[in-house]
Amino acid sequence: DVKVTQSSRYLVKRTGEKVFLECVQDMDHENMFWYRQDPGLGLRLIYFSYDVKMKEKGDIPEGYSVSREKKERFSLILESASTNQTSMYLCASRGLAGGLGETQYFGPGTRLLVL
Amino acid sequence: AQKVTQAQTEISVVEKEDVTLDCVYETRDTTYYLFWYKQPPSGELVFLIRRNSFDEQNEISGRYSWNFQKSTSSFNFTITASQVVDSAVYFCALSVQSNYQLIWGAGTKLIIKP
Repeated sequence: DVKVTQSSRYLVKRTGEKVFLECVQDMDHENMFWYRQDPGLGLRLIYFSYDVKMKEKGDIPEGYSVSREKKERFSLILESASTNQTSMYLCASRGLAGGLGETQYFGPGTRLLVL
Repeated sequence: AQKVTQAQTEISVVEKEDVTLDCVYETRDTTYYLFWYKQPPSGELVFLIRRNSFDEQNEISGRYSWNFQKSTSSFNFTITASQVVDSAVYFCALSVQSNYQLIWGAGTKLIIKP
């Protein structure tokens, strides 16, 4: 069975705090993704990693950074959390075997509230 | 440019009714994949189906069926005899050769009333 886990389901942080969201997949997938989801704005890609230590910016990378030191783990970092980063964060992973047709599998999501 | 349109923002039906969720896509790529995902209130996005551009065969899985028509650039999703557990937001998405990302529709919120 496909398994993507995220470190927290709910998180409450203060403005200015450094926040780490972690995602782990057990499918040996090459690609991993971080999205945020907001009402009325849909799913937006923050960052994407196609291999260990490799990353690419998505549509909204400002205010975020990522780290991929191991193939199974992809971390999203909010260097200094702000209230406009209150959102649902979703991690996904995807293999390469099927090319562009490979499915993205998602974790349960982290609802982050920044006060 | 690629685009996915789910024109129905919200649909509400009574249990046991059939319901169809529309998805219209735009791409100039000849090779592409289409996906449907379900997002229940818990928040996790659950993969439902994948279709490639060369396979227009319709798919049926239990109460779920999908109708892919390249002529109208549509990939519609029908739930037969809907149940309260089908209540969720459903997303249609497109994957094309020229873009590693999934292009997402805005989602359709489906409410099934008992």
